[in-house]
Amino acid sequence: KQEVTQIPAALSVPEGENLVLNCSFTDSAIYNLQWFRQDPGKGLTSLLLIQSSQREQTSGRLNASLDKSSGRSTLYIAASQPGDSATYLCAASVYSGGGADGLTFGKGTHLIIQP
Amino acid sequence: NAGVMQNPRHLVRRRGQEARLRCSPMKGHSHVYWYRQLPEEGLKFMVYLQKENIIDESGMPKERFSAEFPKEGPSILRIQQVVRGDSAAYFCASSPRTSEETQYFGPGTRLLVL
Repeated sequence: KQEVTQIPAALSVPEGENLVLNCSFTDSAIYNLQWFRQDPGKGLTSLLLIQSSQREQTSGRLNASLDKSSGRSTLYIAASQPGDSATYLCAASVYSGGGADGLTFGKGTHLIIQP
Repeated sequence: NAGVMQNPRHLVRRRGQEARLRCSPMKGHSHVYWYRQLPEEGLKFMVYLQKENIIDESGMPKERFSAEFPKEGPSILRIQQVVRGDSAAYFCASSPRTSEETQYFGPGTRLLVL
């Protein structure tokens, strides 16, 4: 059974800093790994999707890496801004044998960027 | 192209009543997923559907919960005889083909059982 863990659970940094959010997963047989952002009381916004054959994806100030062999992914945020404050979720897509393509989520990292 | 739509956004039910949650996927998407987010918990996969078919319901409680995605109309998550422990945010996501592609999430329905 896939388990996804995110560290740290919460992070507070001053504006402008570069930061790294960590995600680990137990089953390396993943289809892909996605990073999402969730604002309080809102839905999820997809940030980046890394296919199992890829090593990283970039979008603007965000860069996500994937190392299947070690079961790890990182989300790098450059030059953080107060608007980046949110909960960041990591999710792995695994074929369960029963046909499930549902995502397995970590509990998230609650990020606060101090102005 | 409108995003994934869910309604209602907020739903209040008394114990024993039925809750019906609706999800309209993005245009052109034929795959729908339902997730539940309990207070202070992560999102948990419940069920994966394609048009008129349940592909995987391994995350769905065996009793009181059911889901459908008819040929016409939205996907429905139905909870019968709700209990307080059903209070949660229920999210729907859709993708064009499979979750090898990005899943796009709706805003969620927040269910409160009194």
